[in-house]
Amino acid sequence: DAGVIQSPRHEVTEMGQEVTLRCKPISGHNSLFWYRQTMMRGLELLIYFNNNVPIDDSGMPEDRFSAKMPNASFSTLKIQPSEPRDSAVYFCASSRNRGLRPTPGANVLTFGAGSRLTVL
Amino acid sequence: AQRVTQPEKLLSVFKGAPVELKCNYSYSGSPELFWYVQYSRQRLQLLLRHISRESIKGFTADLNKGETSFHLKKPFAQEEDSAMYYCALGDTGRRALTFGSGTRLQVQP
Repeated sequence: DAGVIQSPRHEVTEMGQEVTLRCKPISGHNSLFWYRQTMMRGLELLIYFNNNVPIDDSGMPEDRFSAKMPNASFSTLKIQPSEPRDSAVYFCASSRNRGLRPTPGANVLTFGAGSRLTVL
Repeated sequence: AQRVTQPEKLLSVFKGAPVELKCNYSYSGSPELFWYVQYSRQRLQLLLRHISRESIKGFTADLNKGETSFHLKKPFAQEEDSAMYYCALGDTGRRALTFGSGTRLQVQP
């Protein structure tokens, strides 16, 4: 397995442009997470999906951010319009959980390599 | 609310010195604690978790519920240990992990 795959690895864009980040989770994993990493705030959870359904999007900064998971093997995080303060590394992670509630030890996340976003 | 605190942004030690990366958490339920590591130009990866009670690359961490801590320790630091270390908290009611702000460990020769 190639692990969690993210694209693009690097994106430089101008303020006001739309940005779309993509993620392919590990096959068989049914939970997917989007995190944002900055120097000031470390790793922040933006949103996570379980079985393609958004469960918790309380970390999404504002309406400019949206995320979708149309199927088990693909998710997108979109920023529209982008602003300089959105510059960060965006990580996607996935995990496998069985049943309605996660069991102890099931919270092991596998991360992608990240997408480094720079908004000028 | 869940919270993870890593008080040190940077920890610099010499090779062979002991290392302790501090992590405190706030959570009312039964926590699961993890340490993740990010080496330069590599992705974030799991280092160890308290439920396994294992030693990885010479690192250990003990969950102290009384002090709500999960400090990461290694008796003799190596240069290849230089990396960013994140403490993370999970619970059985929420699949996502809450991460601390991270501590950068620099091991000097």
